[in-house]
Amino acid sequence: AQTVTQSQPEMSVQEAETVTLSCTYDTSESDYYLFWYKQPPSRQMILVIRQEAYKQQNATENRFSVNFQKAAKSFSLKISDSQLGDAAMYFCACLYGGSQGNLIFGKGTKLSVKP
Amino acid sequence: GAGVSQSPSNKVTEKGKDVELRCDPISGHTALYWYRQSLGQGLEFLIYFQGNSAPDKSGLPSDRFSAERTGGSVSTLTIQRTQQEDSAVYLCASSSGTSRTDTQYFGPGTRLTVL
Repeated sequence: AQTVTQSQPEMSVQEAETVTLSCTYDTSESDYYLFWYKQPPSRQMILVIRQEAYKQQNATENRFSVNFQKAAKSFSLKISDSQLGDAAMYFCACLYGGSQGNLIFGKGTKLSVKP
Repeated sequence: GAGVSQSPSNKVTEKGKDVELRCDPISGHTALYWYRQSLGQGLEFLIYFQGNSAPDKSGLPSDRFSAERTGGSVSTLTIQRTQQEDSAVYLCASSSGTSRTDTQYFGPGTRLTVL
């Protein structure tokens, strides 16, 4: 079975500091896509960043970047210059089966940002 | 334009009752997804609609769950004879493309509580 594991139920970071959220996945497929979603208290999931498995270059979106280690099946999210508005649940997800697959989500990491 | 909307925001029902949850996708989006998020868990895929094609119902947990999408727009998720384990947040998402790799835009969800 395809799985996504987030080993950190909760993380905390000081405002303006950097934090890394971990994610590992398990698949034997070669065609898949990886995502990080943010879920604030409003419950609305927001896409933070995505990575195609066939791309070697790590994706970056402003203060958010990923460390994609394909051989280790690891997909961590780095948040630089953390802001109070970054406080939320963060979910790692993997789309297996190429363009016909379904998203498999991890259980999430709750990020707190201290002023 | 307006994002994905869902109603009601919260629903409390008694065990054994039927409930209907509504999703209004972003105008023009052909793809629509339903997910279930149980307490402390990640999202679980339920069903996927794409245009006029037959829906992918592979994630529905039992025959008490069904969904319709009328006119390629609004969707209704129906849960018959609700059980306490059905208590969860039900999230809807839509996307503009025909591939499941396209970015999904989520609504705020409906929190269902079965007493």
